[in-house]
Amino acid sequence: QKEVEQNSGPLSVPEGAIASLNCTYSDRGSQSFFWYRQYSGKSPELIMFIYSNGDKEDGRFTAQLNKASQYVSLLIRDSQPSDSATYLCAVKGRGSTLGRLYFGRGTQLTVWP
Amino acid sequence: DTGVSQDPRHKITKRGQNVTFRCDPISEHNRLYWYRQTLGQGPEFLTYFQNEAQLEKSRLLSDRFSAERPKGSFSTLEIQRTEQGDSAMYLCASSPEREKSTDTQYFGPGTRLTVL
Repeated sequence: QKEVEQNSGPLSVPEGAIASLNCTYSDRGSQSFFWYRQYSGKSPELIMFIYSNGDKEDGRFTAQLNKASQYVSLLIRDSQPSDSATYLCAVKGRGSTLGRLYFGRGTQLTVWP
Repeated sequence: DTGVSQDPRHKITKRGQNVTFRCDPISEHNRLYWYRQTLGQGPEFLTYFQNEAQLEKSRLLSDRFSAERPKGSFSTLEIQRTEQGDSAMYLCASSPEREKSTDTQYFGPGTRLTVL
């Protein structure tokens, strides 16, 4: 059973600050990683994916991947109250489980004005 | 591109009844996935179709659960003899085959099932 671990939080930051969300995974051979945002009562919404070591930026969001440390993170710059949600880290399966995503429990983020 | 749609959005049923959910993927997405999510947890994989072929099934998909995608378009998920533990959000996602390296999955709004 592949494991994806996230700090459940809650993480609370003031408006305009940088929010840092972290995720570790157990399968060293994992190749593709995803961050989803989920508002309360809604379904997951894709923020971005990353599969190469290093940083990937998209607007206010930066994903960071370190395969040697089995660690992936999401930075949200200039956080806004509308960013308040649960952030889910997901890792794509391999081999016989290639079709599935393994999700962490999510980190609840609150951005206060 | 209208996104993944699911029907119904909410379902309340009594224990022991059968329920069926429908998912319509994004047009031209040939891969379709079902997940289940309970409160405070991330989504858990149930099953995956490529066109009409069911390629993966989780051990979570007990004998009471069955999924179909007969023509490679919409899919149905049926739960027979529902139990209170089946209460959850049932999520459908789809992805295009061209994105083989990342297989980015886009989720529908979900069907919230409550078993009384």
